[in-house]
Amino acid sequence: DTGVSQDPRHKITKRGQNVTFRCDPISEHNRLYWYRQTLGQGPEFLTYFQNEAQLEKSRLLSDRFSAERPKGSFSTLEIQRTEQGDSAMYLCASSNLSGQYFGPGTRLTVL
Amino acid sequence: AQSVTQPDIHITVSEGASLELRCNYSYGATPYLFWYVQSPGQGLQLLLKYFSGDTLVQGIKGFEAEFKRSQSSFNLRKPSVHWSDAAEYFCAVGTGTASKLTFGTGTRLQVTL
Repeated sequence: DTGVSQDPRHKITKRGQNVTFRCDPISEHNRLYWYRQTLGQGPEFLTYFQNEAQLEKSRLLSDRFSAERPKGSFSTLEIQRTEQGDSAMYLCASSNLSGQYFGPGTRLTVL
Repeated sequence: AQSVTQPDIHITVSEGASLELRCNYSYGATPYLFWYVQSPGQGLQLLLKYFSGDTLVQGIKGFEAEFKRSQSSFNLRKPSVHWSDAAEYFCAVGTGTASKLTFGTGTRLQVTL
């Protein structure tokens, strides 16, 4: 069990650029979640997958955000036309029936 | 919709002293409750969880939490704090064992030597 991994750990981009983050869950976990965390706040739910199916999306997930989990294993989160308000830590988690286990996160800074 | 309140933004305790972090939740049905710890720049580590059964649950690193339905609370406790416990602590509620989580705003714990 190597835990949940996320890549990259840090991303600095200019406003208007597109960025993509990757999450590799714990191998036997079939649920995968994305959360966003801003400074001084708790994580906020964005979306989750069961296997390759995206089952729920938060209203926080604007049209510029898209997530995929094409083969039910790793997942990607893409943000198009980034804005300064997108600056945050993006956390991925995977779960079995005993709780969610989080990766180290990707810190996005939009200049 | 469910919600979580962590009334204390920041708590300072001396090393060796006892600790209690407060968490209140709002959810109409049986909640699934979690405590996570986050060190600076890191992801969240699951400390403990309550799904059902015994209302006093034990977790890792010597932490425990007690579910009190009448008070809608799930407070985290530790009898003797170590300097390495300094971190941010988040309480979360879910609607099932693998549902999305709703987090509180966190309590930052500082430990003085």
